[in-house]
Amino acid sequence: AQKVIQVWSTTSRQEGEKLTLDCSYKTSQVLYHLFWYKHLLSGEMVLLIRQMPSTIAIERSGRYSVVFQKSRKSISLVISTLQPDDSGKYFCALWEPATGGNNKLTFGQGTVLSVIP
Amino acid sequence: DPKIIQKPKYLVAVTGSEKILICEQYLGHNAMYWYRQSAKKPLEFMFSYSYQKLMDNQTASSRFQPQSSKKNHLDLQITALKPDDSATYFCASSQDWGLAEQFFGPGTRLTVL
Repeated sequence: AQKVIQVWSTTSRQEGEKLTLDCSYKTSQVLYHLFWYKHLLSGEMVLLIRQMPSTIAIERSGRYSVVFQKSRKSISLVISTLQPDDSGKYFCALWEPATGGNNKLTFGQGTVLSVIP
Repeated sequence: DPKIIQKPKYLVAVTGSEKILICEQYLGHNAMYWYRQSAKKPLEFMFSYSYQKLMDNQTASSRFQPQSSKKNHLDLQITALKPDDSATYFCASSQDWGLAEQFFGPGTRLTVL
């Protein structure tokens, strides 16, 4: 069974719109981390946001923010005021600690975003 | 300047051949990883190394062999290549093994004909 699920495989939006990308995950660990990465057309994989379960506040980084619902095991990436440079593939990832789990990142399928100027 | 270098960016190989994918990181990190993304699949963890020692291997096939000549190098040797090995291979690193935040290289896209 997939541990990290991103529902949309592709999506397109107009420049200036706001976008929410959903991600759900499965873990029995208490100390885990969640990440959103962006895979650029150049090949670079950029870390956008990191979320820990102990953090209640919404994490923000520039135009990126997350909505974290711990009880639902859900983390959504919100991109405000889309720009063409936001086009790329977005990955949600779950990190679980080595003790009792695997010290690795488990990724969702990714969502390809196209922003139309 | 790129902090994690992967070479080559693109690689085409014939079935049965052997290739080495290069990864060097200049972040001063002590842990390095390999991930693979095949078509229509999520990135999948392959190996993790800490101070040049293998920590975790999630790859079923012995055809995949990491090689670490220096702490900041973790190359991936793939022997007896198969078309199913076609994928983008990502190298990553973290300050230490056990830390969640991993930084990725740009990947090597391997196509096996």
